[in-house]
Amino acid sequence: AQTVTQSQPEMSVQEAETVTLSCTYDTSESDYYLFWYKQPPSRQMILVIRQEAYKQQNATENRFSVNFQKAAKSFSLKISDSQLGDAAMYFCAYRSPPAGGSEKLVFGKGTKLTVNP
Amino acid sequence: DTEVTQTPKHLVMGMTNKKSLKCEQHMGHRAMYWYKQKAKKPPELMFVYSYEKLSINESVPSRFSPECPNSSLLNLHLHALQPEDSALYLCASSRLAGSGTDTQYFGPGTRLTVL
Repeated sequence: AQTVTQSQPEMSVQEAETVTLSCTYDTSESDYYLFWYKQPPSRQMILVIRQEAYKQQNATENRFSVNFQKAAKSFSLKISDSQLGDAAMYFCAYRSPPAGGSEKLVFGKGTKLTVNP
Repeated sequence: DTEVTQTPKHLVMGMTNKKSLKCEQHMGHRAMYWYKQKAKKPPELMFVYSYEKLSINESVPSRFSPECPNSSLLNLHLHALQPEDSALYLCASSRLAGSGTDTQYFGPGTRLTVL
């Protein structure tokens, strides 16, 4: 079974600085999908960024980018120019390919990010 | 528009009550999901509906009964719950189930307290 590990339960960053959240996963599949979701105290899970494993190029979304290392099974999230609104719980998630797979998202335990003014 | 709405936002119920949670999306998504999330934990999948048919039940107790009346609506009927069922219940939808490229979009959740 696939597993997702987020080794940093909590992280903090100064406003305007850069922070990297780590995520590793374990899978025997070659094609899969990875996601970072953000859950602020308001509790709604918001998609931050996603990566298809077959794509070598790292995904970026404005201030958010990933460092996807397929061989190392690593999928870290970099937040540049951190803002107070970035404070939230961040979940890394894995999803199997559709063929023989399922709709299940496998989540890591989350990293709580604090942004200090 | 990637909005999934859920009602109510908060629900307090006794162990003998019957209540329902509602979820709605108008994005044309054909897959809808129920998750349960305890405090400081990741969401746990409960049910998946694909084209209005139940495709996954993660061995959820029968006191939780899902229903998908049409492609836009998803209900979760609650009966004889236990205090340990208190949690945040999240609904999500995606364009298609079984398609790995499809992103799941989440609603704001219903905070359920069982007394």
